[in-house]
Amino acid sequence: RKEVEQDPGPFNVPEGATVAFNCTYSNSASQSFFWYRQDCRKEPKLLMSVYSSGNEDGRFTAQLNRASQYISLLIRDSKLSDSATYLCVVYSGGGADGLTFGKGTHLIIQP
Amino acid sequence: DTGVSQDPRHKITKRGQNVTFRCDPISEHNRLYWYRQTLGQGPEFLTYFQNEAQLEKSRLLSDRFSAERPKGSFSTLEIQRTEQGDSAMYLCASSPILGLAGGLTYEQYFGPGTRLTVT
Repeated sequence: RKEVEQDPGPFNVPEGATVAFNCTYSNSASQSFFWYRQDCRKEPKLLMSVYSSGNEDGRFTAQLNRASQYISLLIRDSKLSDSATYLCVVYSGGGADGLTFGKGTHLIIQP
Repeated sequence: DTGVSQDPRHKITKRGQNVTFRCDPISEHNRLYWYRQTLGQGPEFLTYFQNEAQLEKSRLLSDRFSAERPKGSFSTLEIQRTEQGDSAMYLCASSPILGLAGGLTYEQYFGPGTRLTVT
């Protein structure tokens, strides 16, 4: 099992809809979690950090399920500008080498 | 703009040549990271500095790669004797030790990257 797995998509979603995707991780000792968004040929940008059960920021909600070892990202009232690749990052301790990036989920919001 | 900057943004080089990239982190950030990213993949960790000390280096990193952060501010990444397989986006990120919530964190802020093409 890979350390961090994401469905690559693409997820094609109509504008205004709610979309959610998951990120599963294999190390049960993982301590903290991050979601980044990455636009095509651009750098990743930090979207949310999750240290306990979850986090909410406007239309974005991240939830952590430690028992099943996954973290989800939910986007409500999706906008065209939400189209991007969403990278999940899991920190499992041991320094910077303990940060593992998923390959990302590609989201396309359609008008 | 007070974000992370990288130079050059694009580099085309011939196989066997040496290349050097520069990263200027956010000024108050102690931590600096280098990553490599290829199409369809997430960033792959290369190395990490806390202030001027290189604390970690990926086991997968070839000896042709070296990085420095001599004064704890900007950093350079050098690739010697480049190979076509080195073609990728090289990303630099910085982070504070304490995050937005006040605790220890690895919240990272990325630069725009240097896209390397080895012909």
